[in-house]
Amino acid sequence: QLQLQESGPGLVKPSGTLSLTCGVSGGSISSTNYYWGWIRQPPGKGLEWIGSVYKSGITFYNPSLKSRVTISMDTSKNQVSLKLTTVTAADTAVYYCARRGRLVVADTDHWHFDLWGRGTLVAVSS
Amino acid sequence: DIQMTQSPSSLSASIGDRVTITCRANEGIDSYLAWFQKKSGKAPESLIYAASTLQTGVPPRFSGSGSGTDFTLTITSLQPEDSAIYYCQQYKSHPLSFGGGTMVGIK
Repeated sequence: QLQLQESGPGLVKPSGTLSLTCGVSGGSISSTNYYWGWIRQPPGKGLEWIGSVYKSGITFYNPSLKSRVTISMDTSKNQVSLKLTTVTAADTAVYYCARRGRLVVADTDHWHFDLWGRGTLVAVSS
Repeated sequence: DIQMTQSPSSLSASIGDRVTITCRANEGIDSYLAWFQKKSGKAPESLIYAASTLQTGVPPRFSGSGSGTDFTLTITSLQPEDSAIYYCQQYKSHPLSFGGGTMVGIK
């Protein structure tokens, strides 16, 4: 059974870089028909999509974060990485890794988040 | 950007009750809508995609409907394990976006 596990520092200093990895077990991140993405949820707030990456290297980012975000895949380690630069307290959140799978319904492709990790809390504080 | 609005923000119902949560998009998203369940300390779980297709393994008391801008998630007979926060999400276009969530509690 495929599982996702986020890992990384739980505390980052303001103006620093937040770096997280998503380890994937039970399957390959190079499989066709899957994107890999990151979503976050600040305390007491809603879910915010950060971005997604496909095995070809193509990426999609939320415009609100695009200038500070890099999402990449390391197929040798079977993991997906997130880097967010110049962080502030507003970046404090639970960060989730998620797989976006392709399913066909009535001859239409539906790319939806079908599997999530448990999330990891990252606090930005000095 | 597409904005998703859920209502109510919270509700409390009795075991066996029928529960309905609504989700509205500020522009048409066809049927590119998913529903998720989030329990404290656990990973979000996919319930429904394509507005009405049940994810494999999800109990049939869950159902989804709607198309365009208005969608609903229905739990036909609420069970204790359904206490959670439910989110809708559109995936018609980037940036992907989520509703604010509905907290479902048991009376």
